[in-house]
Amino acid sequence: EAGVTQFPSHSVIEKGQTVTLRCDPISGHDNLYWYRRVMGKEIKFLLHFVKESKQDESGMPNNRFLAERTGGTYSTLKVQPAELEDSGVYFCASSPKNTEAFFGQGTRLTVV
Amino acid sequence: DAKTTQPNSMESNEEEPVHLPCNHSTISGTDYIHWYRQLPSQGPEYVIHGLTSNVNNRMASLAIAEDRKSSTLILHRATLRDAAVYYCILRDPPGTSYGKLTFGQGTILTVHP
Repeated sequence: EAGVTQFPSHSVIEKGQTVTLRCDPISGHDNLYWYRRVMGKEIKFLLHFVKESKQDESGMPNNRFLAERTGGTYSTLKVQPAELEDSGVYFCASSPKNTEAFFGQGTRLTVV
Repeated sequence: DAKTTQPNSMESNEEEPVHLPCNHSTISGTDYIHWYRQLPSQGPEYVIHGLTSNVNNRMASLAIAEDRKSSTLILHRATLRDAAVYYCILRDPPGTSYGKLTFGQGTILTVHP
């Protein structure tokens, strides 16, 4: 069974540009989460989808971040425009019923 | 979210048991205790979880205090591949609507050959 897959693994963009991160959860997992770790700090929750609906987006830092989950399958996280402080590692996780969460390898975002 | 407290770091020798402690004195009656670990350059990985009783799986054992205010993750025979950051996390019961994980600093486990 394929695990959680994230694309790209690494992205370097200039301040002000737009970047879109993609997450493919494990097939059949209704729950999808986005987390990020910035500048050596703790891993922080961003938002939670149940199928295509946003269940909890309390961790989204500001309106420059937009997450979508088309048809309850894959999800994208768009940062527009990117700022220097957005640099970090973005993790996606999925779970069937809020039990154990399966994480992807992460996308390392560098904004220069 | 209820908070957990873990030592910043611990060291162990290969093939010896490791006991990783976690304090969660403000745990609620319905909070589950989850452990995750993060190996270098990888995403977090589920290890084990429990509510009241001690739990065992192929990776580790979880010992939960009777008052549930603390727990211990036990790696029975540490290997070099167990070197990671270990996170103790309190989580809502399975099936509830909100399942986010609140990560703390975790414990950095170093395993010596």
